[in-house]
Amino acid sequence: EAGVAQSPRYKIIEKRQSVAFWCNPISGHATLYWYQQILGQGPKLLIQFQNNGVVDDSQLPKDRFSAERLKGVDSTLKIQPAKLEDSAVYLCASSRSRLAGESTTDTQYFGPGTRLTVL
Amino acid sequence: GNSVTQMEGPVTLSEEAFLTINCTYTATGYPSLFWYVQYPGEGLQLLLKATKADDKGSNKGFEATYRKETTSFHLEKGSVQVSDSAVYFCALIRSGGSYIPTFGRGTSLIVHP
Repeated sequence: EAGVAQSPRYKIIEKRQSVAFWCNPISGHATLYWYQQILGQGPKLLIQFQNNGVVDDSQLPKDRFSAERLKGVDSTLKIQPAKLEDSAVYLCASSRSRLAGESTTDTQYFGPGTRLTVL
Repeated sequence: GNSVTQMEGPVTLSEEAFLTINCTYTATGYPSLFWYVQYPGEGLQLLLKATKADDKGSNKGFEATYRKETTSFHLEKGSVQVSDSAVYFCALIRSGGSYIPTFGRGTSLIVHP
């Protein structure tokens, strides 16, 4: 089966500009995650969707970050306006689980990530 | 809140050496525990997992046992290969209430021939 697809792979922007990342999960996977991974740190969850509903967005900086998953399939993460500290790799992952409780044991499949550099 | 602490890297070993990467966690309730691996130029992929106390996860010669009494999930392999060179991430997802996955900082493993 095809893996999690993300685009673009790399993006360089200046601070205060806007940027959007796209993710297409594995077909049939109900749960989709967006993570931020700053250099030298582990992935930090930004938002978790189950189908097209939000399970958790408590760690998403909502003043500048937004995400949507229309039709419960692919998803877009946007940053507007970007700051220097947003430089990171943005990872998308998906899993089969259809209920929030199932996600505690389910395997997450990660995409290759988008490396964002904010100048 | 939940947290995962991994040993600092890089860990540098010769081929066929024994590997241990320490991982301890803090979480309320009964989390599931995971080890993910990231090979150079690739995305993270699940290596093994354990969902309850005393469970042992294993894959590709790697093992980790869920020790609730010491809140640990140390990764071990008896004989490492050059191809095991990668970054290893310990992670947990707590059951009940918040399901936010929490990852450690990652431990880089370098295996020399």
